[in-house]
Amino acid sequence: GEEVAQTPKHLVRGEGQKAKLYCAPIKGHSYVFWYQQVLKNEFKFLISFQNENVFDETGMPKERFSAKCLPNSPCSLEIQATKLEDSAVYFCASSQQPNQPQHFGDGTRLSIL
Amino acid sequence: SQQGEEDPQALSIQEGENATMNCSYKTSINNLQWYRQNSGRGLVHLILIRSNEREKHSGRLRVTLDTSKKSSSLLITASRAADTASYFCATDRGGADGLTFGKGTHLIIQP
Repeated sequence: GEEVAQTPKHLVRGEGQKAKLYCAPIKGHSYVFWYQQVLKNEFKFLISFQNENVFDETGMPKERFSAKCLPNSPCSLEIQATKLEDSAVYFCASSQQPNQPQHFGDGTRLSIL
Repeated sequence: SQQGEEDPQALSIQEGENATMNCSYKTSINNLQWYRQNSGRGLVHLILIRSNEREKHSGRLRVTLDTSKKSSSLLITASRAADTASYFCATDRGGADGLTFGKGTHLIIQP
């Protein structure tokens, strides 16, 4: 598609439950990025992929967060044993080349109760 | 970690006036980009300036980059109500290592 598609738009989980978010990058884009936005500002980079390979995961809290980009499937970001502080909007972005502008989806709002 | 700081944090001006936002960063960069975020939406790319460029124009947008001061400015001329949004600068170091964002400037254009 011509837009980055993120699902679901909203996700509500009880503390300790698992949350899984999905992202379909723009067709032909080889690079996928995940960001976390807390309180309508402060974007934090989590992880990037080149095709199905992790490129940089320095922003990921590895104990509970994991992500995948498998061929012919949407990319996913999974959070195990969610905590209240995981409440945020999670954005996915894609680009054709690493230094080109990134195209963002509209995000998934995750609320942990 | 966040390295960019936008200033001001919020800006309210009348329609038709020019709006200027500034951004500072801490480490060396490959490119600096400006993005716009409307309420409840994702980021929209506005303009990219490379570290060896000093100024760039795109329509009503003008971006400057001063690598000696590690700062950039975004000027929106002849503002419109539709320009109301949050504006973020973002830097990269090359490669696919993700963007480092500033905290954003919330711009309100009063009709």
